[in-house]
Amino acid sequence: NAGVTQTPKFRILKIGQSMTLQCTQDMNHNYMYWYRQDPGMGLKLIYYSVGAGITDKGEVPNGYNVSRSTTEDFPLRLELAAPSQTSVYFCASSYGGGSYEQYFGPGTRLTVT
Amino acid sequence: TQLLEQSPQFLSIQEGENLTVYCNSSSVFSSLQWYRQEPGEGPVLLVTVVTGGEVKKLKRLTFQFGDARKDSSLHITAAQPGDTGLYLCAGRGAGNMLTFGGGTRLMVKP
Repeated sequence: NAGVTQTPKFRILKIGQSMTLQCTQDMNHNYMYWYRQDPGMGLKLIYYSVGAGITDKGEVPNGYNVSRSTTEDFPLRLELAAPSQTSVYFCASSYGGGSYEQYFGPGTRLTVT
Repeated sequence: TQLLEQSPQFLSIQEGENLTVYCNSSSVFSSLQWYRQEPGEGPVLLVTVVTGGEVKKLKRLTFQFGDARKDSSLHITAAQPGDTGLYLCAGRGAGNMLTFGGGTRLMVKP
């Protein structure tokens, strides 16, 4: 099992550009999450999904969009990138919510200049 | 919004020393998890504690959940360079989602 994979690993965007961060899991998990981690900080939840076709906002959803058309994939879309979106983005999945273990991908380091 | 505060934020110690990391909140959590994150990687789960007062041991690491389920601690005995990393606590609260603390960055020098 590859677990949770994310692409790309690194990306530099200019202000106003858009991009999609890809996330795929092969563990047949129902729950998937997107977090951002600013330097030296913990993780903040952007969006999450409890199953295909169902998504909901987390703590910091502004400037982002998600979709969940399949169990495996949970892409994160950044529209009109801003310097405040410079961060490391982690995708995670879990069998269930709450105290089920979340499995994290290796992250995407995004810089907006 | 439920907040989790971790202390200290940074800790640099010599190999063989003991240390304790704290995770505190004014809110009650149904369960609490500890993750460790190494540079360039995602966090990896160390332990989940569910019951107030619960103590779990993982080799040289001892985790405790406060009686009131508002706080937790991680104690490492005889730290080794391999323990170096960012330690994150995360509590399950309202909405069944995890709230992460700001992390404690630990460096263990040989």
